[in-house]
Amino acid sequence: AIQMTQSPSSLSASVGDRVTITCRASQGLRNDLGWYQQKPGKAPKLLIYAASSLQSGVPSRFSGSGSGTDFTLTISSLQPEDFATYYCLQDYSYPRTFGQGTKVEI
Amino acid sequence: EVQLVESGGGLVQPGGSLRLSCAASGFTFSSYSMNWVRQAPGKGLEWVSYISSSSGTIYYADSVKGRFTVSRDNAKNSLYLQMNSLRDEDTAVYYCARVSVVTTKDMNHDAFDIWGQGTMVTVSS
Repeated sequence: AIQMTQSPSSLSASVGDRVTITCRASQGLRNDLGWYQQKPGKAPKLLIYAASSLQSGVPSRFSGSGSGTDFTLTISSLQPEDFATYYCLQDYSYPRTFGQGTKVEI
Repeated sequence: EVQLVESGGGLVQPGGSLRLSCAASGFTFSSYSMNWVRQAPGKGLEWVSYISSSSGTIYYADSVKGRFTVSRDNAKNSLYLQMNSLRDEDTAVYYCARVSVVTTKDMNHDAFDIWGQGTMVTVSS
């Protein structure tokens, strides 16, 4: 199974900050990676697919980049509603695997 | 409204069984592959199982293989997860998630674009 290593596991930031979360795969994924946001007590929400494509309705302050083994989720200007945990998910092969999550605290 | 609603969770003893359901509405269920994803209390997300739109392709995580069975009834717009030989470590919120296949630069990608609200399964004596 492909292992997804996400970092950092948590971070503290202020409103307006630029935040970067990284995900590294144990083998090449092309660009078969998505990013998901989960707020406490809620289901995950799709933010980014195909490494860099923004899901409809997601604010443009969210962006994704990378290919192969290294991927990045960037929030250009952190907003109070962005307090959440973020997960990467590889859709290159089965079993699908998630990163361990990054908790963003405002 | 596009919606997925899980049901069937509850408290079960170790070694017991439970059947989860996921009712789909607002879209053509038979056109989409589906997944089950779970989340143990205070832990991260874990992919559990995949079933294609026609049930022709099925995958499981190693942690549930041989104990869980995924199925669907397209006539009833429903997805199921039969869980047998349950263990303490199966305690989690179970989510169903729709797969949308998106094409970029002639490559297909799976996006889990719609999720249910989750149903809690507690395995304990």
